[in-house]
Amino acid sequence: EVQLVESGGGLVQPGGSLRLSCTASGFTFSNYWMGWLRQVPGKGLEWVAIIKQDGSEKYYVDSVKGRFTISRDNAKNSLYLQMDSLRAEDMTVYYCGRDWGEYWGQGTLVTVSS
Amino acid sequence: QSVLAQPPSASGTPGQRVTISCSGSYSNIGKNLVYWYQNLPGTAPRLLIYDNNQRPSGVPDRFSGSKSGTSASLAITGLRSEDEADYFCAAWDDSLSGRVFGGGTKLTVL
Repeated sequence: EVQLVESGGGLVQPGGSLRLSCTASGFTFSNYWMGWLRQVPGKGLEWVAIIKQDGSEKYYVDSVKGRFTISRDNAKNSLYLQMDSLRAEDMTVYYCGRDWGEYWGQGTLVTVSS
Repeated sequence: QSVLAQPPSASGTPGQRVTISCSGSYSNIGKNLVYWYQNLPGTAPRLLIYDNNQRPSGVPDRFSGSKSGTSASLAITGLRSEDEADYFCAAWDDSLSGRVFGGGTKLTVL
């Protein structure tokens, strides 16, 4: 059974940092593109960042370029999202997804507030 | 302003056929594959269609996708009350080097 389990969300002050993690099981993690998606209230869905199987290619939505970094550790079946310089508009639920989203984690809430 | 254009709303009665359009450009829909998602508030989006017209296992054949030129469509036949949700299209965009979404279409089952 494919499972994706996110962790690392929480409350952070504007300008602060968080590191999201996603642990995968039930499939060969190293065979798939992985990504982080968020739902932006009033704006819909947004692929925040995606990463190729071997980590050699990474793509980010413009609004997070220079602030967020996606990475993966295939030996640990894990995906990460380092979020720096967080802003109020980054506050939402973040989902870890396999490829184009056939499977998702349960989501982790990021709250940015002073 | 979303890269892919969708009508903000659509509606139908139970049993009807409804289509939702998604309009893009050569750099996204024109050159790349299209994906469709069903989204309910507070939940992860459900992938309904991948590679323009393929259904993941578990998605009913009432849902179908098509693409022509720089536009794509999602069709839902035999509309049911549980189909009431937001629907989003997505594609890779070569110019933006990223995955782009439509703004979403809220489907109401009357």
